[in-house]
Amino acid sequence: RKEVEQDPGPFNVPEGATVAFNCTYSNSASQSFFWYRQDCRKEPKLLMSVYSSGNEDGRFTAQLNRASQYISLLIRDSKLSDSATYLCAVNTYRDNYGQNFVFGPGTRLSVLP
Amino acid sequence: GAVVSQHPSWVICKSGTSVKIECRSLDFQATTMFWYRQFPKQSLMLMATSNEGSKATYEQGVEKDKFLINHASLTLSTLTVTSAHPEDSSFYICSAQPETSGNTIYFGEGSWLTVV
Repeated sequence: RKEVEQDPGPFNVPEGATVAFNCTYSNSASQSFFWYRQDCRKEPKLLMSVYSSGNEDGRFTAQLNRASQYISLLIRDSKLSDSATYLCAVNTYRDNYGQNFVFGPGTRLSVLP
Repeated sequence: GAVVSQHPSWVICKSGTSVKIECRSLDFQATTMFWYRQFPKQSLMLMATSNEGSKATYEQGVEKDKFLINHASLTLSTLTVTSAHPEDSSFYICSAQPETSGNTIYFGEGSWLTVV
């Protein structure tokens, strides 16, 4: 089983739609969780950190369920500019190896006019 | 946000030669930097964790003698791909973790390596 898994995608949605991304992680000792977006042939950019209480930033809402080892990202009122690949990232501290930022495979989103 | 600069953005080299990629944190000090590789349409794969003043920690399956990492200062880490082969062609990305940021990491712009 991969350490971080995401919906395979791609998601093709019309402008204005609400879209949800799901991510699961296998290491229960993981400590920090993030969503990144990556545009084609570019580096990932931090979208938001994910907290146990859930957090919102404008049209974006992230949630974490530690018991189920599950992270989600909801985008409301999607825009054309939201088209990108969304990467879930999990940070785990490992003895002898230090920190390990592991990324999921990503889910590609295309918002259509 | 925090700025991480990576250089070069693009490099083409001949098989058998070595290529050095630099990763600099421009406005913060980073005791830890990470090096990733990403093949087309695949996810980021962590290659190694670079710690200032000590040896890098390599992930399983990554050859430490082929991918030399040096983290000589709190703002600079370098990755040298030695004796490059065409299968080393990939997108290499570094990231840095500010000392005071908690767990957030910031990425460099990435370096596209093509070995011919």
